[in-house]
Formats: sequence, structure tokens, C-alpha cells
Amino acid sequence: QQQVKQSPQSLIVQKGGISIINCAYENTAFDYFPWYQQFPGKGPALLIAIRPDVSEKKEGRFTISFNKSAKQFSLHIMDSQPGDSATYFCAASKYNFNKFYFGSGTKLNVKP
Amino acid sequence: ETGVTQSPTHLIKTRGQQVTLRCSSQSGHNTVSWYQQALGQGPQFIFQYYREEENGRGNFPPRFSGLQFPNYSSELNVNALELDDSALYLCASSSQRDNSGNTIYFGEGSWLTVV
Repeated sequence: QQQVKQSPQSLIVQKGGISIINCAYENTAFDYFPWYQQFPGKGPALLIAIRPDVSEKKEGRFTISFNKSAKQFSLHIMDSQPGDSATYFCAASKYNFNKFYFGSGTKLNVKP
Repeated sequence: ETGVTQSPTHLIKTRGQQVTLRCSSQSGHNTVSWYQQALGQGPQFIFQYYREEENGRGNFPPRFSGLQFPNYSSELNVNALELDDSALYLCASSSQRDNSGNTIYFGEGSWLTVV
């Protein structure tokens, strides 16, 4: 059973547009939800993370929206840039447990 | 840069052989986790080491084993390699001491190809 489901699989956005990636989770015990960015040939890098005590967290152009009742969370990339072209993974875990369940990834391509 | 270093970066092994992958954790981090990332997939948790003992394991067979050393570095060993073991193996370090929750920092990974 896949613990974290991610969509879409791929996304094409024009420069300056908004990129939106969605994730849904099954286990209500999860209470830590990070997003990772991965460039080809590199390891995943932490982008932004949220805990369920807030519904939104913003860091620069990146925002996580969290809906606890729906068990869903999403990443919004505002003013998308070609340099944002990468694969994005959502993940979930129990806080301080360090075992992460990852989504299957979204390949983002930002067109100039 | 996360300060997590892995070696080797690429290697090719034959089915049935054994492989050892190595990881040095970020300074001050006492916990190491290993993940397998197949091509086009998200990372999957293999196991975690804390204080030199296995502290949680994912759905991987016993031929996947590991070690953590007193300096918190770690090894991943895979015996009896199968073609499906071909993947990027990621090491991630974290600290159980601080209040940063469970933020983990990945290395660049070791690409394993089994032929």
C-alpha cells in the first residue's frame, strides 16, 4: 500500500507561472511533511517542510498548503523559473522518527 | 552541500556478487538512514542506524545489512545481488539530539548497476 500518493507525474509551466504539486497520505499518525527537490545526478535537497499545527507555510517563492481533514498537502511555486526545473518529492513521517515515506515524484519543466 | 559524503559514486557489479557502500554523516549528526531510489521513483527507506544499532527497517530482505561506526559513519552491504537491486542508494544523516524534528540531509548517492 502506497503511503503517500503524488500528482501530477510531470508538469510543464511557463516562466513566471505557478507550479502546483499535490500529495495525499494515508496514515493519520504522520505529523511531519517535507518537500524535497532533486536535480539530475544529485541527492534530494530539503526545500520546505510543515507540521499539521499550521495550514500554510511560506518560504520565499515556495508555499506548502496543508489540509489535515482531507489528508492532503500541496507545494506551490510562485513565479516559477527555469532554474526550478527539477523533480520534486513530497514525503511524510512521524515527527522525530526519521523514517520517511516518499511520493513517486513530479518532474517539473519551466519553459523560458 | 549537505556535508554528507558517499562512496563510491558509481559502480557496476555482477548478479550474485556482494557490494559495500559507504557514508560519512554531517558533522554533529548521530543518525544515518539508507534509502533506495529506483529510476523514476521516490526513495524507499531501507533502514536507520542510531548509536551503532539498527533503529527501524523498511521492507527489504536480510541480504541488505548495515553498520554504523563510533564516528557515526555507516556502511550498507548488499549480498547476492539481483538485477532489481540496480538503483541509486542514498544515505541521509540527521540528529536525534536537537529540536529540528526529523530533518534529514541526503548525500549525492551511489549509483549501483547490477548486470
